[in-house]
Amino acid sequence: EAGVAQSPRYKIIEKRQSVAFWCNPISGHATLYWYQQILGQGPKLLIQFQNNGVVDDSQLPKDRFSAERLKGVDSTLKIQPAKLEDSAVYLCASSLTFRNTEAFFGQGTRLTVV
Amino acid sequence: QQQVKQSPQSLIVQKGGISIINCAYENTAFDYFPWYQQFPGKGPALLIAIRPDVSEKKEGRFTISFNKSAKQFSLHIMDSQPGDSATYFCAASNGGATNKLIFGTGTLLAVQP
Repeated sequence: EAGVAQSPRYKIIEKRQSVAFWCNPISGHATLYWYQQILGQGPKLLIQFQNNGVVDDSQLPKDRFSAERLKGVDSTLKIQPAKLEDSAVYLCASSLTFRNTEAFFGQGTRLTVV
Repeated sequence: QQQVKQSPQSLIVQKGGISIINCAYENTAFDYFPWYQQFPGKGPALLIAIRPDVSEKKEGRFTISFNKSAKQFSLHIMDSQPGDSATYFCAASNGGATNKLIFGTGTLLAVQP
């Protein structure tokens, strides 16, 4: 089966610009996660969707980050405006349901803010 | 209380040796403890996972040891191979309403031939 697809793979932007990342989860997976992985650290959950509803966005910096999953399938994560400290790999993951604990990760988008 | 502490930060092992990575947690509500393996440029991939009702789980060369009373768990890689060179993350979640994974800080493993 196809894995979690993310695009773009790399993105370089200047601070205060905006950027968007796209994720297509594994077919049939109801739960979708966006994680932020700063260099040298473990992934940190930003937002979790169950179908098209938000389950957890407690660590999402809502003044600059937004995410949507309108049709319960693919999702976009947006940063506007970007800060230098947003430089990280943004990982999308999906699982069959939120009670099915194995999460499958995409390759990530490496964002560099200069 | 939501943290998972992982050590060591990096590890060098000779081919054929045993690699051991340790993690500790505080939240007793955690009930699922996976280990993820991440190669450069790739996303993390589930390696092996354990629940607190067992003290050990083995899959091939990989073993998780779990000590519920000490709130610690560890990954043992037997007969380590150069292909095992990667970053390993422990994680924990409490299932429940969100099943959010809390990751450790990672261990960079290098297996020398």
